[in-house]
Amino acid sequence: GENVEQHPSTLSVQEGDSAVIKCTYSDSASNYFPWYKQELGKGPQLIIDIRSNVGEKKDQRIAVTLNKTAKHFSLHITETQPEDSAVYFCAARGRSQGNLIFGKGTKLSVKP
Amino acid sequence: NAGVMQNPRHLVRRRGQEARLRCSPMKGHSHVYWYRQLPEEGLKFMVYLQKENIIDESGMPKERFSAEFPKEGPSILRIQQVVRGDSAAYFCASSPEGLGSPLHFGNGTRLTVT
Repeated sequence: GENVEQHPSTLSVQEGDSAVIKCTYSDSASNYFPWYKQELGKGPQLIIDIRSNVGEKKDQRIAVTLNKTAKHFSLHITETQPEDSAVYFCAARGRSQGNLIFGKGTKLSVKP
Repeated sequence: NAGVMQNPRHLVRRRGQEARLRCSPMKGHSHVYWYRQLPEEGLKFMVYLQKENIIDESGMPKERFSAEFPKEGPSILRIQQVVRGDSAAYFCASSPEGLGSPLHFGNGTRLTVT
């Protein structure tokens, strides 16, 4: 089955800097890759997603890139703000599956 | 449009009791997923249901755990004879369709077994 690895597990940046989180997946048939942000005491919130027919997607300060050949995808947050501090999860879904397989998460801290 | 609603938010059970966790999907969503999250860890898939059908229960323990999504009413995750290791946050997500649809999560039920 699908396996998703996520790095780093913790990331600390200064306000205004960029943050990059990377994930790899094992199943070459996976075709959908969302990113979730989870704040303390809350459920994961979808922030951006990308499908396997697209190499890059951007939404304001957030972008995601996908390299299907290498089976990895990355989240880029530019001009980070303290409110970006949270745990971020990547996930992958196979072509024939409904459920998502998640990485273990990255705890991002943005220092003012 | 209300989001995914889970209740209770917190549930305390003694070892051996039963826990019932409820999930009402977003309006118009007919697919429900249950995930478990241990402290400092990611979300582990448990079960995927459509109305009146279990589509994939490959992540659910074979004993003591069951799930349903009846024609009317919320989806229920039931844990019988709870043990301390069942303590975790349980999240429900819903989507309008199965394949290709984004999952929207509720705020979870935090189960504590004493």
